[in-house]
Amino acid sequence: DAGITQSPRYKITETGRQVTLMCHQTWSHSYMFWYRQDLGHGLRLIYYSAAADITDKGEVPDGYVVSRSKTENFPLTLESATRSQTSVYFCASRPDTLPNQPQHFGDGTRLSIL
Amino acid sequence: AQSVAQPEDQVNVAEGNPLTVKCTYSVSGNPYLFWYVQYPNRGLQFLLKYITGDNLVKGSYGFEAEFNKSQTSFHLKKPSALVSDSALYFCAVRDTRNAGNMLTFGGGTRLMVKP
Repeated sequence: DAGITQSPRYKITETGRQVTLMCHQTWSHSYMFWYRQDLGHGLRLIYYSAAADITDKGEVPDGYVVSRSKTENFPLTLESATRSQTSVYFCASRPDTLPNQPQHFGDGTRLSIL
Repeated sequence: AQSVAQPEDQVNVAEGNPLTVKCTYSVSGNPYLFWYVQYPNRGLQFLLKYITGDNLVKGSYGFEAEFNKSQTSFHLKKPSALVSDSALYFCAVRDTRNAGNMLTFGGGTRLMVKP
């Protein structure tokens, strides 16, 4: 089915480990986004991408790395996980036809860092 | 800079009563405004948007929102609440002068509709 899928849905890891969260969309949307959701902060943008091989920092990029070699995939990597990165992570996409188009969200990855 | 505020962490209403979830924004240009809803363990779902034109915007599931430029507000409304409307609601804004494509989200308002 068309849509945006995130994997894994749940992940537990330890501080210092590297972890990669996957995001895949089937719409061929140009724009993709990574957010984290924390109580009291709403959603905060980590990184976004306007197209394959084009990425840019959002509000809270420190400690994260992204890549976009293919339009449909936008993985997010925590190179050395810290407890402060425990959060729920959401991937989103939108077409580039008009800047006022809404974003479409995946169902999130709940990440716990022990 | 663009920002958005949702002044209420939670709104409680009785089923069948009208509901309002408040949102105010700040932009230097003109705003694109959005409302999203989030159900437990799910991503955000788009409800409605204001781009330009009529100040009253109608969206999914019977929701509507009123854009008020002088008060810089975009409150979400529904004439008759359902228990199934209970969820987390987010307002978001993008400044048309923002060369990037970032949306700024409010902190969210939890809507509780009681039977």
